[in-house]
Amino acid sequence: KNEVEQSPQNLTAQEGEFITINCSYSVGISALHWLQQHPGGGIVSLFMLSSGKKKHGRLIATINIQEKHSSLHITASHPRDSAVYICAVDGGSQGNLIFGKGTKLSVKP
Amino acid sequence: DAGITQSPRHKVTETGTPVTLRCHQTENHRYMYWYRQDPGHGLRLIHYSYGVKDTDKGEVSDGYSVSRSKTEDFLLTLESATSSQTSVYFCAIRPGGGTEAFFGQGTRLTVV
Repeated sequence: KNEVEQSPQNLTAQEGEFITINCSYSVGISALHWLQQHPGGGIVSLFMLSSGKKKHGRLIATINIQEKHSSLHITASHPRDSAVYICAVDGGSQGNLIFGKGTKLSVKP
Repeated sequence: DAGITQSPRHKVTETGTPVTLRCHQTENHRYMYWYRQDPGHGLRLIHYSYGVKDTDKGEVSDGYSVSRSKTEDFLLTLESATSSQTSVYFCAIRPGGGTEAFFGQGTRLTVV
């Protein structure tokens, strides 16, 4: 069983739709990260959170430590949001992250 | 943007040859990591470093070695490349545990 599970694996949306990507984990963590990877591109950190909610522009990340679950929301989605979104948790030793397999999002105009 | 550079960005090499990938940072961060990214898998840790000359193995370390002789450079060496090592390799840096991670642009390695 993977320690970090993301759902859905693939997601297609129409421009303007509200999008939710989920992440569940089974290990104790000190923080959870949401990352973004555009096709052929590098990986960019979107959020790091250990409790509650964070917002940056149209992106919102929430975490429920008791339920070991986090969500990434995108409001008013746009084709440029098309990317792979990766959840990772700080649960390993020496600051190592444990990664989910990613959610591939495609936003159609 | 965090100062982290990977080189080369693309490489094609033959089976059995040694290959070295370089990760260079200008942030003076303590922790450096090498990951590989393959379809159907999340990023998997190959090796990491928690200081100069301090390194340790990750979950997929077989066939790889690393060195860190300076804070800013973390080298990943494939002693004798195999086709199973065809992958995209990412370097990451962090000031410490529980801090934001910064990733390089990746190196696409093809072993033929």
